[in-house]
Amino acid sequence: SYELTQPPSVSVSPGQTASITCSGNNLGDKYTHWYQQKPGQSPVLVIYQDNRRPSGIPERISGSNSGNAATLTISGTQAVDEAVYYCQAWDSLTAVFGGGTKLTVL
Amino acid sequence: QVQLVESGGGVVRPGGSLRLSCAASGFTFGYYAMHWVRQAPGKGPEWLAFIRYDGSDKYYAASVKGRFTISRDDSKNTLYLQMNSLRSDDTAVYFCSKDRSRNRLAFDLWGQGTMVAVSA
Repeated sequence: SYELTQPPSVSVSPGQTASITCSGNNLGDKYTHWYQQKPGQSPVLVIYQDNRRPSGIPERISGSNSGNAATLTISGTQAVDEAVYYCQAWDSLTAVFGGGTKLTVL
Repeated sequence: QVQLVESGGGVVRPGGSLRLSCAASGFTFGYYAMHWVRQAPGKGPEWLAFIRYDGSDKYYAASVKGRFTISRDDSKNTLYLQMNSLRSDDTAVYFCSKDRSRNRLAFDLWGQGTMVAVSA
């Protein structure tokens, strides 16, 4: 079965840029979507179709996808960005989620 | 207000059944594909089932295929998940989620979830 691999944790200082990777075989051939989940809350879509932002998502959140990896980038990271981030893609008729990356804003 | 509200969760014994409901409001329910996703305690989301906007296609994760059935009633703006032969590893929070499209893309609206606990 298809797998998406994410680092368990990423740390960043406030105001700096955070990058979270998601790796999968030929992931660049699929659309990757990203979700943000804060403790006790439901996931929120922050990037879809590799690099598109839903309305209400700040411009400092961006995405890219090429080759075997997709990347979620948060520029000028703020304390409010601290959360677990999950990537997701479709492998044929199955939706696959990555294991999640906890972003800590130190 | 655009929202999804799940209901029907609870405690059930192994081998039992439950039917979850998801009431949609604030958007044209019949225009969009819908999904069920679950999240076990301390784990990431696991997609379970998809239904196309018109109900013509349904897909399931291998872990629930043959045991769970997704359906929708557009006249009631409601999505359902019939869960049979429940096992302890089905214990999780169950979310319904709206797709951005009429087919399969991204989950752009999630409910608050309903807890299902399978225990003897």
